[in-house]
Amino acid sequence: AQSVAQPEDQVNVAEGNPLTVKCTYSVSGNPYLFWYVQYPNRGLQFLLKYITGDNLVKGSYGFEAEFNKSQTSFHLKKPSALVSDSALYFCAVRDIDDYKLSFGAGTTVTVRA
Amino acid sequence: SQTIHQWPATLVQPVGSPLSLECTVEGTSNPNLYWYRQAAGRGLQLLFYSVGIGQISSEVPQNLSASRPQDRQFILSSKKLLLSDSGFYLCAWSPTGEVEQFFGPGTRLTVL
Repeated sequence: AQSVAQPEDQVNVAEGNPLTVKCTYSVSGNPYLFWYVQYPNRGLQFLLKYITGDNLVKGSYGFEAEFNKSQTSFHLKKPSALVSDSALYFCAVRDIDDYKLSFGAGTTVTVRA
Repeated sequence: SQTIHQWPATLVQPVGSPLSLECTVEGTSNPNLYWYRQAAGRGLQLLFYSVGIGQISSEVPQNLSASRPQDRQFILSSKKLLLSDSGFYLCAWSPTGEVEQFFGPGTRLTVL
């Protein structure tokens, strides 16, 4: 079985400050990890993925995420947040032997001007 | 480039009426296809997935069914809608051999 936990329902930051959205996962084997962003009444947009290799993954719109196997975490980060980053963020995991994604409950990010 | 379409964008249906939501993918062949439901703007629940024409796997037993009549077409149906079927329905696809999924714009279904 695989699962994802996003411990924070909401994250609030000021524009220009660093942004971190937390994610921990559980899989029986090796994980594929993903971050998606969703704007109101829209589909999910793919931000980045971890498959193998470098633990620091860079993605779209200046986002990056760090894979930490010992802590089973895959936190999303952005060094300087923008108001336009305000959205709902989802972490997802997939066991390499499966093709189904399991999503976290989502974290609402609000960046204030 | 690849594109995924869903229609309709919004739908209001009475309880007990039938449902048909359509998803099509352009610019690829033999994609894996998925139907998700998102309730109350939060987590996504996988409903069905398909690895080929006529091959459908159901994740959650419920009032809905799915079909894949063509390689790049995925249809979500119901014979009689329930109030609990209301939600935001998302179709997704992934290229064969790839791991990430790409989502369509979604259909907002309200059952009254």
